[in-house]
Amino acid sequence: DIQMTQSPSSLSASVGDRVTISCRASQNINTKLNWYQQIPGKAPKLLIYAASSLQSGVSSRFRGSGSGTDFTLTISSLQPEDFATYYCQQTYYTLGTFGQGTKVEGK
Amino acid sequence: EVQLVESGGGLVQPGGSLRLSCVASGFTFSSYAMHWVRQTPGKGLEYISVIFNNGIGTYYANSVKDRFTISRDNSKNTLYLQMGSMRLEDTAVYYCARGSIGGNFDFWGQGTLVTVSS
Repeated sequence: DIQMTQSPSSLSASVGDRVTISCRASQNINTKLNWYQQIPGKAPKLLIYAASSLQSGVSSRFRGSGSGTDFTLTISSLQPEDFATYYCQQTYYTLGTFGQGTKVEGK
Repeated sequence: EVQLVESGGGLVQPGGSLRLSCVASGFTFSSYAMHWVRQTPGKGLEYISVIFNNGIGTYYANSVKDRFTISRDNSKNTLYLQMGSMRLEDTAVYYCARGSIGGNFDFWGQGTLVTVSS
């Protein structure tokens, strides 16, 4: 199985901050990497697919990058509605595994 | 508007069975793979099963293989998850999700809580 490791597990940030979340795959997954946002009590929401493609309707302050084993989600200027948990997911293989999540909290 | 509405969750004893349903609307259900993902309380996401649009191809996570069965009725726009031989560790919120061409999940239901307890 491909293991997905996110870092950090949590971070504290302020509105307007630039936030970066990392995701590392245990083997090469090319660009088969998605990012989801989950607000407490809600279902996950797709933000980025294929490592760097912005899902329709998602703010352009979210940017994904990377390929192979190392990926990054960047929020250019954190907004109040962005305080949430973020998950990466590989879809290189069927039943793609998720990372353990990164919780973005207010400072 | 794409909508996915799960139902069927509840309390079940260890060793028991439960069937979840997910009714889809707002898109051509028969054209999409559909997925079940679960989330244990306070924990992360676990992808447990997929069924392809024709209903023939299915895959299961090792944690549920031989205990859970995914199925779909394209005439009713409904996805199912039949859960059996349930364990305490199956306690989770279960989400259905639509699979897009790239393999990601572009729409999710609101989730249904399953609690396994004696």
